[in-house]
Amino acid sequence: AQSVTQPDARVTVSEGASLQLRCKYSYSATPYLFWYVQYPRQGLQLLLKYYSGDPVVQGVNSFEAEFSKSNSSFHLQKASVHWSDSAVYFCALSIGNSGTYQRFGTGTKLQVVP
Amino acid sequence: ETAVFQTPNYHVTQVGNEVSFNCKQTLGHDTMYWYKQDSKKLLKIMFSYNNKQLIVNETVPRRFSPQSSDKAHLNLRIKSVEPEDSAVYLCASSFDRYEQYFGPGTRLTVL
Repeated sequence: AQSVTQPDARVTVSEGASLQLRCKYSYSATPYLFWYVQYPRQGLQLLLKYYSGDPVVQGVNSFEAEFSKSNSSFHLQKASVHWSDSAVYFCALSIGNSGTYQRFGTGTKLQVVP
Repeated sequence: ETAVFQTPNYHVTQVGNEVSFNCKQTLGHDTMYWYKQDSKKLLKIMFSYNNKQLIVNETVPRRFSPQSSDKAHLNLRIKSVEPEDSAVYLCASSFDRYEQYFGPGTRLTVL
């Protein structure tokens, strides 16, 4: 069955520290993978995406993610977080063909503290 | 820059009433979606629609129905709302299975 797992419901990091948010997926075919961010009272915004090719993908605001087929993972990383990065982050897997939808993880709430 | 528009932003209603939410996208996408986001931020797909095919999540109660006039619009109607319908409803659009663009959401409160 297709699924996305984000094992960490909450992550707290100090401003300026590095960050990794974990995402594991389960999908038998070639995955299209995404990370989205949701700020309070807003919709989701795309951070980055992976379709194929280089397993390390760059996104907005210096975020990057690494795709690992062997580990079925797509972890999100940032070298130095800022307080404005505090938000909820969703990993998503696109499944099926035209007209079907993305399956989202449960989200990780990131809090950046001084 | 907002390209997926939702109205209203908020709606408060009583149990048993009918409500409709509007969604419009200006991106020229071929597929639109409705998601329900609960108080714990969990996202649940309700419908996806691409002019050719409507896919309904079988767990969605029958009182929910999508309405589309063209590929740029996908509205959501709820007949006879219930307390558990209180949530944020997010509309999104995409080209096929590629990245989705989301609207700001409509927050529904059922009293």
